[in-house]
Amino acid sequence: AQTVTQSQPEMSVQEAETVTLSCTYDTSENNYYLFWYKQPPSRQMILVIRQEAYKQQNATENRFSVNFQKAAKSFSLKISDSQLGDTAMYFCAFMKRTSGTYKYIFGTGTRLKVLA
Amino acid sequence: DTGVSQNPRHKITKRGQNVTFRCDPISEHNRLYWYRQTLGQGPEFLTYFQNEAQLEKSRLLSDRFSAERPKGSFSTLEIQRTEQGDSAMYLCASSRVSGGDQNEQFFGPGTRLTVL
Repeated sequence: AQTVTQSQPEMSVQEAETVTLSCTYDTSENNYYLFWYKQPPSRQMILVIRQEAYKQQNATENRFSVNFQKAAKSFSLKISDSQLGDTAMYFCAFMKRTSGTYKYIFGTGTRLKVLA
Repeated sequence: DTGVSQNPRHKITKRGQNVTFRCDPISEHNRLYWYRQTLGQGPEFLTYFQNEAQLEKSRLLSDRFSAERPKGSFSTLEIQRTEQGDSAMYLCASSRVSGGDQNEQFFGPGTRLTVL
């Protein structure tokens, strides 16, 4: 069974600084997706960034980028130039790409607070 | 497109009562998922549909829980004889099988259930 581990329950960062959130996962699959979702306080979850395991290039989306290390089964999220609006819970999620189940397996989340 | 919607947003009920939640997915999405999220945790998969077919149910889903998606559009999740342990946020998500955002799940705002 796949598992996703986020070892940092809470983090804080000064506005305009850079922060990295960690995620590791365990799977025997070779073909899968990884995602980072953001859940602001009392608001719905939205996708931040996605990575397909067969792509070696790390995904980037404006101020958000990932460091995907397939052999190490690590998928960290870097937020550059942090903004107050980045304050949220961040969840790492895994989905296998082969046919059958298309459910996400989520980590327990990292609560990020951006300080003014 | 207005995104995934869920009703009601909040539900308070007494132990032993039945409750029903509704999810309206994004119109062209043929996959629909239900998750449960408790405080400080990531979402846990409950069940998913492809069109009207329920393709997988989690072992977390006791026989008090039932979900339907009768015409492949909206879905309902019913909990019978509610227990205090059912108190949680119930999240719905939808996705499509093709297109640039295939397999990306779009989440609704959730229904927060409190069982007294």
